[in-house]
Amino acid sequence: EAGVTQFPSHSVIEKGQTVTLRCDPISGHDNLYWYRRVMGKEIKFLLHFVKESKQDESGMPNNRFLAERTGGTYSTLKVQPAELEDSGVYFCASSQGGRLATNEKLFFGSGTQLSVL
Amino acid sequence: EDQVTQSPEALRLQEGESSSLNCSYTVSGLRGLFWYRQDPGKGPEFLFTLYSAGEEKEKERLKATLTKKESFLHITAPKPEDSATYLCAVRNAGGTSYGKLTFGQGTILTVHP
Repeated sequence: EAGVTQFPSHSVIEKGQTVTLRCDPISGHDNLYWYRRVMGKEIKFLLHFVKESKQDESGMPNNRFLAERTGGTYSTLKVQPAELEDSGVYFCASSQGGRLATNEKLFFGSGTQLSVL
Repeated sequence: EDQVTQSPEALRLQEGESSSLNCSYTVSGLRGLFWYRQDPGKGPEFLFTLYSAGEEKEKERLKATLTKKESFLHITAPKPEDSATYLCAVRNAGGTSYGKLTFGQGTILTVHP
């Protein structure tokens, strides 16, 4: 079974440019999450999709970040325009719906290392 | 605001030398405490969920315990392949998002042969 896949693995862009990160969750997982870890800090929640709907986007830092999950499958996270403080590792995670135990067990991708210069 | 503090930041052990990692938490209502393992260049990998004080979970050389203020991850007779960053996270009972976790900064464990 394929795990959570994220693309690209690394991205280096200049301040003011736009970057789009992609996440393919495990097939059949209704829940999709975005997290990020900036240098020296802990991993922080950004938002949660249930299928194609945003369940919780309280962790999104500002309106330069836009997340979508069209059709309830893969998700994209766009940063426009990127700022220096956006640098970090962006993780995607998914979980299966249904029972509590499956909802809470997150499977993480390997992350996208974003560097804004 | 929920807060998770892990100690020590880094721990170096000899193979076979048992030890414990600490996770102290502050949360208005604990819905679950989670332990994850993270290898370099990878995402966190789920290990355990604990729900109430006194609960214990075991997996191979790892045992997680929970009190009302902290959790411990006990590592018995570790092997070099146990080397990783161990992350603790909590979920607040007030949230509607099952996977909305507050993470600690992690403990980097290195086990020497």
